[in-house]
Amino acid sequence: GAGVSQSPRYKVTKRGQDVALRCDPISGHVSLYWYRQALGQGPEFLTYFNYEAQQDKSGLPNDRFSAERPEGSISTLTIQRTEQRDSAMYRCASSSPGSDTEAFFGQGTRLTVV
Amino acid sequence: ELKVEQNPLFLSMQEGKNYTIYCNYSTTSDRLYWYRQDPGKSLESLFVLLSNGAVKQEGRLMASLDTKARLSTLHITAAVHDLSATYFCAVTPFNTDKLIFGTGTRLQVFP
Repeated sequence: GAGVSQSPRYKVTKRGQDVALRCDPISGHVSLYWYRQALGQGPEFLTYFNYEAQQDKSGLPNDRFSAERPEGSISTLTIQRTEQRDSAMYRCASSSPGSDTEAFFGQGTRLTVV
Repeated sequence: ELKVEQNPLFLSMQEGKNYTIYCNYSTTSDRLYWYRQDPGKSLESLFVLLSNGAVKQEGRLMASLDTKARLSTLHITAAVHDLSATYFCAVTPFNTDKLIFGTGTRLQVFP
């Protein structure tokens, strides 16, 4: 696709429900990143993949959060048993190989847990 | 743990003036990025800086990198209202591909 696509754009869920956020990276991009951004703050690293391999998940807040990228393209970030503190903008980014390439961000999914 | 700090956090400046935003980071890095974010929008890449002494310019914005001082600057020349946005620097720790973002600098340019 032309850019990084995330769906849904908005998600309202009740506390305790599971949610799955989807990211479709730019075609051919090897690396895929998940970030969380609270209002007025910088993006907070969650996890990233090279191809289908999860390289670093040190930013996932707890074991309710997980991510996968089974075929090295589309990725899903899953939050189980959501809590109100999970409410935030979740952003996905992708980049192509090479040290001089930047990461391109999608429009994000605004998650609200009520 | 890598920490990335920006200052100032908020900058209000008059059109036509010059100013510099600073980005300090706490450990060895081999890449530094600058991004722009407009309210309610996604992040737009501005610059990628890879080596000590690297300087890049685009329009009224110029970014530089001093890896020895662990410092990057984003210089604004003759500011215009269209530059009003939040600017983030992001650093990639050595031997990894993840980006660690700074706190952001919210820039407001007024007539």
